[in-house]
Amino acid sequence: QKEVEQNSGPLSVPEGAIASLNCTYSDRGSQSFFWYRQYSGKSPELIMSIYSNGDKEDGRFTAQLNKASQYVSLLIRDSQPSDSATYLCAVNIRGGKLIFGQGTELSVKP
Amino acid sequence: DGGITQSPKYLFRKEGQNVTLSCEQNLNHDAMYWYRQDPGQGLRLIYYSQIVNDFQKGDIAEGYSVSREKKESFPLTVTSAQKNPTAFYLCASSLLPGQGAHEQYFGPGTRLTVT
Repeated sequence: QKEVEQNSGPLSVPEGAIASLNCTYSDRGSQSFFWYRQYSGKSPELIMSIYSNGDKEDGRFTAQLNKASQYVSLLIRDSQPSDSATYLCAVNIRGGKLIFGQGTELSVKP
Repeated sequence: DGGITQSPKYLFRKEGQNVTLSCEQNLNHDAMYWYRQDPGQGLRLIYYSQIVNDFQKGDIAEGYSVSREKKESFPLTVTSAQKNPTAFYLCASSLLPGQGAHEQYFGPGTRLTVT
């Protein structure tokens, strides 16, 4: 079992819809969880971090964490074509090190 | 402006040559990291450092070497022993756990092609 798993996609949603991206992790001791957005050919950009169970909202983005189910998700409301990118889930498993999922490619169709 | 710089953006080398990738940060972060990304893949950790003059191997350290002589700088050398060096190399930095939020921030990356 991979330590951090994401559906590779592509996930296709129409403009204005909600995009839902999911991530599961294996280490129950994980404390910190991050979502990065990566445009093609560019480096990852941090968009959300979440440390405790529940929801955390920032603009059109909402991160959801359920430690009991070892599950973290990212919701993007009112999706725009500019949101088309690969979204990487990262989990702090050992000290300051992050383990990354393989990423989910999101395509928002006008 | 605070940030992380990597140079060069693109690098081409012949097989058998060592090459050094530069990473500099002015965020006053103690921790620095090197990752490798292959097409369609997530990031894999090569080396990381939490303090000057000390560094630890990540998951795929074979064929790579690093140094950390200054807090701001963490260069990566890709040696001729690395079997598949062509990849996108990413440098990141963060505060240490316990110093506060320790999100990692990435530089723009260096795309290395070895032929």
